[in-house]
Amino acid sequence: GAGVSQSPSNKVTEKGKDVELRCDPISGHTALYWYRQSLGQGLEFLIYFQGNSAPDKSGLPSDRFSAERTGGSVSTLTIQRTQQEDSAVYLCASSLGPSGGTETQYFGPGTRLLVL
Amino acid sequence: DAKTTQPTSMDCAEGRAANLPCNHSTISGNEYVYWYRQIHSQGPQYIIHGLKNNETNEMASLIITEDRKSSTLILPHATLRDTAVYYCIVKRAGGATNKLIFGTGTLLAVQP
Repeated sequence: GAGVSQSPSNKVTEKGKDVELRCDPISGHTALYWYRQSLGQGLEFLIYFQGNSAPDKSGLPSDRFSAERTGGSVSTLTIQRTQQEDSAVYLCASSLGPSGGTETQYFGPGTRLLVL
Repeated sequence: DAKTTQPTSMDCAEGRAANLPCNHSTISGNEYVYWYRQIHSQGPQYIIHGLKNNETNEMASLIITEDRKSSTLILPHATLRDTAVYYCIVKRAGGATNKLIFGTGTLLAVQP
């Protein structure tokens, strides 16, 4: 079956530009998560959505980062005025959510962002 | 969520069992042990999870000690495609957030 998909798979941008990264979760999954993995760094949590609400935004590194989710499905992570330190792989994951009785997260392939 | 300690790296011969240890001595009664792996340039992949009983699925077995302070992930017949970073994560079920806190994991290198 279809897994989590992300687009674009690769993105190169110039410092100061805005970028939008998209995540399509597994159909029926109400929970969605964004993580990022910088070169040489571990995976770090950014934000968690349950439906269209984000009860945990604690991992967003600055106010240049925002995310939204519409229709309980697709999510967009936006980075404004990109900086070189934003270069990383941005990973999206989804899970059935609390009502599903399981919280196993399934990850997409990631978007590799390079800020020049 | 409880912290975990894993060896930085391990080697395993192809076809042999790979046993990956994880210490989680501060685990609480309502915290699960999850294992994920990340093959180079891919997103993390769920392997298995458990609370206190040993678990087995088509990918691996998870052995949790009786006191729950440590666990071992077993890949029964490792192949070259099992070369990856393996993450042991302890996480409370439910709660306001379901975020995973990844440590540095164990780089398993399966040798031909």
